[in-house]
Amino acid sequence: SQTIHQWPATLVQPVGSPLSLECTVEGTSNPNLYWYRQAAGRGLQLLFYSVGIGQISSEVPQNLSASRPQDRQFILSSKKLLLSDSGFYLCAWSVLLGSGELFFGEGSRLTVL
Amino acid sequence: TQLLEQSPQFLSIQEGENLTVYCNSSSVFSSLQWYRQEPGEGPVLLVTVVTGGEVKKLKRLTFQFGDARKDSSLHITAAQPGDTGLYLCAHTGANSKLTFGKGITLSVRP
Repeated sequence: SQTIHQWPATLVQPVGSPLSLECTVEGTSNPNLYWYRQAAGRGLQLLFYSVGIGQISSEVPQNLSASRPQDRQFILSSKKLLLSDSGFYLCAWSVLLGSGELFFGEGSRLTVL
Repeated sequence: TQLLEQSPQFLSIQEGENLTVYCNSSSVFSSLQWYRQEPGEGPVLLVTVVTGGEVKKLKRLTFQFGDARKDSSLHITAAQPGDTGLYLCAHTGANSKLTFGKGITLSVRP
């Protein structure tokens, strides 16, 4: 069966420090991968998605970047965190782009102080 | 981008009560998904509805897609504390991206 894991689960970082959140999927090949951010337990905002290795699409201008160095690995990064980067970050995968059926990781809670 | 309006935003009920929540838009959907998210976890897909007028049941949860495919409802019968969570509806737009509503926070008191 397919599984998705992301880490770390919780992160407290000072303003201006770098960030790296990692997500891996097991049990499937060539998944579509996504990074979402959720503010205060509300709706999800799509940040990045990837249809293959090295292919990244950005949805909103921001202080973050994403990379996909391997088929089942998706990384969210920042060189210098801002207070506004605080939030709950969710990685997800799908079989088909546009299917609407996503499988989410456990989430990473980022607090920037 | 098609906006999804979910209502009510917050709902607190007693165990055993029934409830209905809604997801509406002014545009037509090709399909619509409902997810449930528990605090500190990722959303979990509950159902996909595709056909206008479609009704799907998942134990005590009944999902309906409007005839015009512009709205959907979720009815929970005899709510239990385990139903507590954030209920999100979502759809895929013409750009193949999944867009979520802001969600309905449901609290079921024992």
